[in-house]
Amino acid sequence: SAVISQKPSRDICQRGTSLTIQCQVDSQVTMMFWYRQQPGQSLTLIATANQGSEATYESGFVIDKFPISRPNLTFSTLTVSNMSPEDSSIYLCSVERQGKGYTFGSGTRLTVV
Amino acid sequence: QQQVKQSPQSLIVQKGGISIINCAYENTAFDYFPWYQQFPGKGPALLIAIRPDVSEKKEGRFTISFNKSAKQFSLHIMDSQPGDSATYFCAASYTGFQKLVFGTGTRLLVSP
Repeated sequence: SAVISQKPSRDICQRGTSLTIQCQVDSQVTMMFWYRQQPGQSLTLIATANQGSEATYESGFVIDKFPISRPNLTFSTLTVSNMSPEDSSIYLCSVERQGKGYTFGSGTRLTVV
Repeated sequence: QQQVKQSPQSLIVQKGGISIINCAYENTAFDYFPWYQQFPGKGPALLIAIRPDVSEKKEGRFTISFNKSAKQFSLHIMDSQPGDSATYFCAASYTGFQKLVFGTGTRLLVSP
């Protein structure tokens, strides 16, 4: 399965600031997915990122709050903007490999204080 | 309906016992049903997956049972070990949907 590297692995941020999370995949993929996992909860899809086009956001998530970049087929970033304590979560990057299912990175644990 | 309902929320099993986690779905278009295992501080890892053309799939101690008519699928962990203690998520998707819909998760504790 694909190897996914996420940076940073964790961070503590002040409210009102922004954090950019990076996701690097070891091979080219068409789609990259960003998920949020709130403490003790399941995974919720934030958006799907295609290279060369705007990301597609799920209901309840907006581009102004979670801008995404996808400059090439192996890399994507998710920014959490104007953070509040409610944004404290684990943010996960995921890709699908044909015939091999969906693989997840180890996540970015964000705490907003 | 894109929901996947998972039960139980938590489970305690003795070492050597069988752990059983159940999921149910509504959308008959779903054709891919994976199970993920997540340890604290880690991302979910794909454990085993099934498509509806088979009723059962086994990989080592892990078995998925699939009941298409009931729209249910379950994960069985045979000879459960303390190292299996983790949170397990079922999920569903379908060709062309290109998203995973996750269940709510089951926290499994295998006591020594």
